[in-house]
Amino acid sequence: QSALTQPRSVSGSPGQSVTISCTGASSYVGGYYYVSWYQQHPGEAPRLLIYDVSKRTSGVPDRFSGSKSGSTASLTISGLQADDEADYYCCSYTGSWQMFGEGTKVTVL
Amino acid sequence: DEQLVESGGGVVQPGGSLRLSCAASGFTFSSFAMHWVRQAPGKGLEYVSAISSNGDKTYYANSVKGRFSISRDSSEDSLYLQMGSLRTEDMGVYYCARVNKVVPGAIFYYGLDLWGQGTTVTVSS
Repeated sequence: QSALTQPRSVSGSPGQSVTISCTGASSYVGGYYYVSWYQQHPGEAPRLLIYDVSKRTSGVPDRFSGSKSGSTASLTISGLQADDEADYYCCSYTGSWQMFGEGTKVTVL
Repeated sequence: DEQLVESGGGVVQPGGSLRLSCAASGFTFSSFAMHWVRQAPGKGLEYVSAISSNGDKTYYANSVKGRFSISRDSSEDSLYLQMGSLRTEDMGVYYCARVNKVVPGAIFYYGLDLWGQGTTVTVSS
């Protein structure tokens, strides 16, 4: 069982904002600024969106933003678009390894 | 274009072995730490193994330690995963991926910014 907890699913209408949480032990998410976020469409490889909690990878629109408070990291998608419908995974450095969250399915209504 | 292409997946019996390869192109392979990440059917992502840019440090998930071995050959710009004593729970798509930055020791920081398309491993009798 993953030590990084994400909601199983979130949904929103086009144009709305959704936030995905990623909660881990204080020694993981809370202890380091090495949290990253990935987007994965069905049948495709994951795509890095955010690293170091809040830095966007090249080419990622600024509708995607990352933050952290205590032991919870968050990914916010603003101005939701149809193509944002995908699975999203957080990932945190644990001090000796890295661990993925369970994944969150984002549905655009 | 920067690219990673995996190969070597297939069907193997429980207890069998398989060697996965990942061919890199379009970037200086020897400068980057590399990872293997897998995804069981219908499940989430799981780290499997990682290797430093010069190959002197290797890391394994507890679930594969002692059974899998990661290596790289910079003369061939290739990453490998030798898998042994395979179990049904090892089934899934195996991706190779590149660490986002060229920073000494940065094996687990900065995320994985370049991924291959994946190769499928099926363990079945």
